[in-house]
Amino acid sequence: DAKTTQPPSMDCAEGRAANLPCNHSTISGNEYVYWYRQIHSQGPQYIIHGLKNNETNEMASLIITEDRKSSTLILPHATLRDTAVYYCIVRASIRGKLIFGQGTELSVKP
Amino acid sequence: GAGVSQSPSNKVTEKGKDVELRCDPISGHTALYWYRQRLGQGLEFLIYFQGNSAPDKSGLPSDRFSAERTGESVSTLTIQRTQQEDSAVYLCASSLWAELDTEAFFGQGTRLTVV
Repeated sequence: DAKTTQPPSMDCAEGRAANLPCNHSTISGNEYVYWYRQIHSQGPQYIIHGLKNNETNEMASLIITEDRKSSTLILPHATLRDTAVYYCIVRASIRGKLIFGQGTELSVKP
Repeated sequence: GAGVSQSPSNKVTEKGKDVELRCDPISGHTALYWYRQRLGQGLEFLIYFQGNSAPDKSGLPSDRFSAERTGESVSTLTIQRTQQEDSAVYLCASSLWAELDTEAFFGQGTRLTVV
């Protein structure tokens, strides 16, 4: 599975959009981009995933560049409860497992 | 229940004892995963099941670790002769299938402390 690179930490003001970047320059054609988050002392929570096209759901939007070498997770109106570690994962659907990196620790501040 | 259930939620054991951790996946989910998370660190993949078979056991750290799944449902992770470095939160997840682009749902984990 392709490696991902994320900044170790980010801050965001409450009510503003949080834009979390992820580089995956070695991604191959059959690999999906997944985003999970882990709030302190809880199990990881699925957020969104995509292959080529941008995706949106009730939690977030996922923007994937045309060359698919990077992506951005957007939380449109961050709240204090969005403070968590956010993991970007690249996964081939045939591989089964999700491999977690170190993620980005997002702190939403009032 | 509606989600992935793990038991016990907390376990304290003495070094050298065996422990069993249980995971009840979401009903109908054929894929089941085990991860380990040491304090302040990321998630380490241990093993996953598709049905009752385990195509990938590559993350099991030693032969003291084993896992089984029966009835395409409950799974047990067993750690024999526990060591202090086994102290961690053990997380279980399930998904409809392992080999399609479906999301995995995680339980709250079992916090294991070896003293």
